[in-house]
Amino acid sequence: QKEVEQNSGPLSVPEGAIASLNCTYSDRGSQSFFWYRQYSGKSPELIMFIYSNGDKEDGRFTAQLNKASQYVSLLIRDSQPSDSATYLCAVNQAGGYNKLIFGAGTRLAVHP
Amino acid sequence: EAGVTQSPTHLIKTRGQQATLRCSPISGHTSVYWYQQALGLGLQFLLWYDEGEERNRGNFPPRFSGRQFPNYSSELNVNALELEDSALYLCASPGQGKNEQFFGPGTRLTVL
Repeated sequence: QKEVEQNSGPLSVPEGAIASLNCTYSDRGSQSFFWYRQYSGKSPELIMFIYSNGDKEDGRFTAQLNKASQYVSLLIRDSQPSDSATYLCAVNQAGGYNKLIFGAGTRLAVHP
Repeated sequence: EAGVTQSPTHLIKTRGQQATLRCSPISGHTSVYWYQQALGLGLQFLLWYDEGEERNRGNFPPRFSGRQFPNYSSELNVNALELEDSALYLCASPGQGKNEQFFGPGTRLTVL
């Protein structure tokens, strides 16, 4: 079992719709969870982080965390073509090692 | 506040040579994290330096090494280059928050 799993996609959504990206992780001791957006040929950009169970909203983005189910999700409301990118889920390894473990990423395509 | 800087942007080497990549963290931060993003393998943790010391190391052979200077900038050295070392090498720095890591633009290493 991979430590952080994501559906590779592509996830195709029409402009204006809600895109839902999901991630599961195996280390129950993990405390910090991150979503990065990566455009082709560019470095990853941190767009959301969440440390507590529940929802965290920032503009069009909502991160959801359920530690009991070891599940993290990212919702993008009113999706725009500029949101088309690969979204990487990352989990901080338990134990204070400051090591981020990344999923393989989900490719999102928003079509007009 | 300047972000994470990396140099060079691109580096082309031949098999068996050595590569040196450089990174400076966000001003005021003492930690530097190195990651490798190889095609088909995803983003993998390489090294963590803090206050001049190596604090954590990923599952990479010893020919991947580095150091951190008194000004907290860092070098990643890859000796005896192999074709599979071709990848995007990313450096990350902490930000103002708890555990977030912010990436630099990366160095694209191509081994011929």
